[in-house]
Amino acid sequence: SQTIHQWPATLVQPVGSPLSLECTVEGTSNPNLYWYRQAAGRGLQLLFYSVGIGQISSEVPQNLSASRPQDRQFILSSKKLLLSDSGFYLCAWNRDRKNTEAFFGQGTRLTVV
Amino acid sequence: ILNVEQSPQSLHVQEGDSTNFTCSFPSSNFYALHWYRWETAKSPEALFVMTLNGDEKKKGRISATLNTKEGYSYLYIKGSQPEDSATYLCAFAGGTSYGKLTFGQGTILTVHP
Repeated sequence: SQTIHQWPATLVQPVGSPLSLECTVEGTSNPNLYWYRQAAGRGLQLLFYSVGIGQISSEVPQNLSASRPQDRQFILSSKKLLLSDSGFYLCAWNRDRKNTEAFFGQGTRLTVV
Repeated sequence: ILNVEQSPQSLHVQEGDSTNFTCSFPSSNFYALHWYRWETAKSPEALFVMTLNGDEKKKGRISATLNTKEGYSYLYIKGSQPEDSATYLCAFAGGTSYGKLTFGQGTILTVHP
């Protein structure tokens, strides 16, 4: 069976510090991978998605970047965090354009202080 | 930018009440419409993935309908229970989006005993 792991669960970081959130998927190969963010009082906003190793698409201009160094690993990064980066971040995967059901990680609560 | 709208934003009902929410989405380039339940401190989990106009799906006391021509879906909960309290998200998958999901803002349901 497939599982998705996301860490850390919570993070408090000062403004200007770097960020690295990691997500790994087990039990499947070549998944589509996604990073979503839920800002306060809003739904899920797609930040990045990847359909293969090294392929990253950015949905919104922002202070964040993503990388996919391995088939089932997806990393969300920032060089210098802003207060506005605070929020709840979710990693997700689905199989392909025909099997679109998404499976989510447990999420990371990021607070930038 | 795709527009996926949900209403109402929040809803308070008494145990035993029946309720419904609405999701509106683009009527062009449609592939699938998803409903997810997101409970506090958990990951969102799929309730339904619907692809055909006129689809009706049911899982226990929860059901959903789909109208792709006019771009809306309804989620119904019959005889609400406190454990139904959660945020309900709909998500749109377009025909050329590689499985990428665009989420609505969600409807927060609170069922009071």
